[in-house]
Amino acid sequence: EPEVTQTPSHQVTQMGQEVILRCVPISNHLYFYWYRQILGQKVEFLVSFYNNEISEKSEIFDDQFSVERPDGSNFTLKIRSTKLEDSAMYFCASSAWEVNTEAFFGQGTRLTVV
Amino acid sequence: DAKTTQPNSMESNEEEPVHLPCNHSTISGTDYIHWYRQLPSQGPEYVIHGLTSNVNNRMASLAIAEDRKSSTLILHRATLRDAAVYYCILKNQGGKLIFGQGTELSVKP
Repeated sequence: EPEVTQTPSHQVTQMGQEVILRCVPISNHLYFYWYRQILGQKVEFLVSFYNNEISEKSEIFDDQFSVERPDGSNFTLKIRSTKLEDSAMYFCASSAWEVNTEAFFGQGTRLTVV
Repeated sequence: DAKTTQPNSMESNEEEPVHLPCNHSTISGTDYIHWYRQLPSQGPEYVIHGLTSNVNNRMASLAIAEDRKSSTLILHRATLRDAAVYYCILKNQGGKLIFGQGTELSVKP
């Protein structure tokens, strides 16, 4: 069964450092997403990406965040200067279409900012 | 985004059917009803989705009320592996999913 893979599974970083979280979406999918889940809280939408540009972003996705699809397979989330409150699980997802379809999620990257 | 209401938690016995309700009284005609679940320490997982008619797949069934203001996710035979948080989400334009608190399902052996 096709799957979304995320690396690393756990990342520890110092406050103020830049981090890049990586995702390999399912190969024929066109829509890509990042979500985050702070421990004990609900899953929150960050950004959606289609046709090499951001199609929608939430209020959480401020100037410290950026996304990129540097080649045909990877999809990355960069946090420029991490804060303690960025500590969370980050999930990548992909889907073939926008609405009438399922999204496949990766297993997540646990980001810990110290 | 239209809102959904789900019970915070439910309990089930192993090998019995489970009916997880969801109310969405402000649903619009083009909203699809999606269900996802999140097992402990894992990413969300798609379960099923539908628009107007009842749907079945290998994981579950989705029963949609005639007026579409509510729906029920049916797990036909709960197993211990089905213990998870189940999310009912309305999806219209755009691909994003807006997760609520969901229903935490516990399954007793």
